[in-house]
Amino acid sequence: QKEVEQNSGPLSVPEGAIASLNCTYSDRGSQSFFWYRQYSGKSPELIMSIYSNGDKEDGRFTAQLNKASQYVSLLIRDSQPSDSATYLCAVPSGGSYIPTFGRGTSLIVHP
Amino acid sequence: EAGVVQSPRYKIIEKKQPVAFWCNPISGHNTLYWYRQNLGQGPELLIRYENEEAVDDSQLPKDRFSAERLKGVDSTLKIQPAELGDSAVYLCASSLGVGASSYNSPLHFGNGTRLTVT
Repeated sequence: QKEVEQNSGPLSVPEGAIASLNCTYSDRGSQSFFWYRQYSGKSPELIMSIYSNGDKEDGRFTAQLNKASQYVSLLIRDSQPSDSATYLCAVPSGGSYIPTFGRGTSLIVHP
Repeated sequence: EAGVVQSPRYKIIEKKQPVAFWCNPISGHNTLYWYRQNLGQGPELLIRYENEEAVDDSQLPKDRFSAERLKGVDSTLKIQPAELGDSAVYLCASSLGVGASSYNSPLHFGNGTRLTVT
């Protein structure tokens, strides 16, 4: 069973702070990694993808990938209350290409 | 570009009744997924289609669940008979790639169908 692990949280940060969300995965053959945001009662929406070791920045979001440690993270700078949501890590398996989702981390940004 | 369309948005049925969900993917997206999401959990795959072929249905409870994707476009997921444990949100998603090219293709989700079995 290929697994994707996330701390369910909630992670509570003050407005303007950096939120750090973490994800570990078990399939060493995985090559693509995705972060989705899911607001309460809504469907997941893609916010970041990363394929190579290192950092990838998009606005206030930075995805970090370390394949040796099988670890991918998402940093949200200058967190806003509107960032309050559940963040899902998705990792396609190396063999089947099927994205496996973690359980998600609930982020609360308080004013 | 129109997104993934799902219907109905909500469905309440009594146990042992049948229920069906419909999904129309983004035009041109050849891969279609049905996921189930329980409260506080991430989506779990039920079945994946590449065009009209079901390429992974190992997690689909085949004794009560069935799915089809005629003509490789829209898809229907059916449960018969429904059980209390089937209460969940059923998400349909599509992606552009097929096979190995789907590896780097993000999923686009519909709004989901929230099923309540009483």
